[in-house]
Amino acid sequence: AQKVTQAQTEISVVEKEDVTLDCVYETRDTTYYLFWYKQPPSGELVFLIRRNSFDEQNEISGRYSWNFQKSTSSFNFTITASQVVDSAVYFCALSGMGSSNDYKLSFGAGTTVTVRA
Amino acid sequence: KAGVTQTPRYLIKTRGQQVTLSCSPISGHRSVSWYQQTPGQGLQFLFEYFSETQRNKGNFPGRFSGRQFSNSRSEMNVSTLELGDSALYLCASKTRDTFTLEQYFGPGTRLTVT
Repeated sequence: AQKVTQAQTEISVVEKEDVTLDCVYETRDTTYYLFWYKQPPSGELVFLIRRNSFDEQNEISGRYSWNFQKSTSSFNFTITASQVVDSAVYFCALSGMGSSNDYKLSFGAGTTVTVRA
Repeated sequence: KAGVTQTPRYLIKTRGQQVTLSCSPISGHRSVSWYQQTPGQGLQFLFEYFSETQRNKGNFPGRFSGRQFSNSRSEMNVSTLELGDSALYLCASKTRDTFTLEQYFGPGTRLTVT
């Protein structure tokens, strides 16, 4: 079974502060994909980033960056210089490969981020 | 390119009734997945279709069913509605027959069962 844990329920910051969201996962698959999605108040899930399990290189994309550590099963996500428009619920998700976990996303409970002006 | 569309956006039904929700994927996308989102259980996978075939199914009772048409449009049906079925139902599509690609989600259908 796959499991994704987002220990932080809510985070509140002032605009321009950095925000780091934690994600820990469990899977028996040897290869898998990790994702971060954003859900603004409108309700639509918006894809942010994807990382596969065999590439631990961390990257930066604009104000987003992520830290994938296979040894600790963590996939943390950082928003640099937060803006009010970043206020949303952020979900970490996991998808398996070559098993019954194919084709589906297992989501964490989500972290609500509030950015105050 | 138009995104994933879901109809209707809001629905109110009575316990015991049945409901059908519709999802049109992004043009060219052949895979459609359905998810249920509730405050208590979070986001849970319902099922995934590709080329009119269900490839994976989540842990939901048989009251939840779905299908996909030749044009990739998908419907999900919930029979004998229960209060606990009140949720946001999200549909997602992706381009190819691979689990490696990200899924693009629609705005969802908010179902309220009274």
